[in-house]
Amino acid sequence: SQQGEEDPQALSIQEGENATMNCSYKTSINNLQWYRQNSGRGLVHLILIRSNEREKHSGRLRVTLDTSKKSSSLLITASRAADTASYFCATDAWTQGGSEKLVFGKGTKLTVNP
Amino acid sequence: DGGITQSPKYLFRKEGQNVTLSCEQNLNHDAMYWYRQDPGQGLRLIYYSQIVNDFQKGDIAEGYSVSREKKESFPLTVTSAQKNPTAFYLCASSPTGPGVGYNEQFFGPGTRLTVL
Repeated sequence: SQQGEEDPQALSIQEGENATMNCSYKTSINNLQWYRQNSGRGLVHLILIRSNEREKHSGRLRVTLDTSKKSSSLLITASRAADTASYFCATDAWTQGGSEKLVFGKGTKLTVNP
Repeated sequence: DGGITQSPKYLFRKEGQNVTLSCEQNLNHDAMYWYRQDPGQGLRLIYYSQIVNDFQKGDIAEGYSVSREKKESFPLTVTSAQKNPTAFYLCASSPTGPGVGYNEQFFGPGTRLTVL
């Protein structure tokens, strides 16, 4: 089944550095979303990019989408310790019943060291 | 965690027991979802509901049941038929259900279920 796969699985950086996470998927999509999950908590939506968009910004976040390569990247600039979390990409897919659903990857665990 | 609440935060169950996880939202969202998350894994869809009194199976519905009698509430029952229920369960909602113009999902804080 279609699934976003994040890369790397884990990333450790120092405060102030930039963090880049990548997501690859298998089939065409309508949109791709990025979510953050702090340890033991629910997910928080970060940004949604549609298939006809190539780049989107939100604060210190920059998301790119390359539909020809079926990949997306999430860049967090000037990282802070509070950015420590797992980051998931989610793509739209189809259930066996023919309805649309979100499919999540396994996530990138980001650690920002003070 | 927005306007979605889940209770309890931690739940312990003996083998053979059914347990019900609560999910309530005050966001006036039509669609609600239940996901299961295992350690180091992504989320897997258990059930979803687009409107009241209607719900659909997700990818791993076996051993689970749901109801949607009210727009605000979407409880999940983990039955004794679920062979490996220990996991982190997340409830989510979105303004509209699946389809063109798919929206972001808003998540609750989760319930951690442990089978003793």
